[in-house]
Amino acid sequence: DADVTQTPRNRITKTGKRIMLECSQTKGHDRMYWYRQDPGLGLRLIYYSFDVKDINKGEISDGYSVSRQAQAKFSLSLESAIPNQTALYFCATSDFQDYGYTFGSGTRLTVV
Amino acid sequence: GEDVEQSLFLSVREGDSSVINCTYTDSSSTYLYWYKQEPGAGLQLLTYIFSNMDMKQDQRLTVLLNKKDKHLSLRIADTQTGDSAIYFCAERNNNDMRFGAGTRLTVKP
Repeated sequence: DADVTQTPRNRITKTGKRIMLECSQTKGHDRMYWYRQDPGLGLRLIYYSFDVKDINKGEISDGYSVSRQAQAKFSLSLESAIPNQTALYFCATSDFQDYGYTFGSGTRLTVV
Repeated sequence: GEDVEQSLFLSVREGDSSVINCTYTDSSSTYLYWYKQEPGAGLQLLTYIFSNMDMKQDQRLTVLLNKKDKHLSLRIADTQTGDSAIYFCAERNNNDMRFGAGTRLTVKP
């Protein structure tokens, strides 16, 4: 099994729909992150969490919310999806030593 | 605001060396990273360098850090077709990892 698992891998949804992207990890890390990747823009941080009771906004949190259900699970929600949220979404984990992040394989989301 | 900057494309012949360059933003960044992204996959950590180092070598990979110029480079020796991917530079800045836009490396046989 992958260290960081994201579901679904691909999703097409309609404008205005609520959608949840899920992430689970087996690394035992406390820190989890959600990023969005757009062509030519690199990765931008949406939300991050350093433990179960900790939630922090990133650079582009508007239109998104998160839930840290357990140490191993961190989900991202789009309450009312819009077309400019079409992107590749990545979940990542790290430990406190910051020796790099472990990424999931991504969720490709298309909002039509 | 300032961005982590990388050229978007690099093309080399198989067997040649590849050098991917990056300019980062914060001279106080403690760690700098190189990640590799293959098609359909997430980012994979290749290597990292602590800011008090000038160079780090790991098999075919050599990372050079010039703190004065805030310049980071990744050299891949004897580049193979399997090295074709997008390479991201990143800096650790407080609670955030700031990424460049990625350099797409194409290796021609």
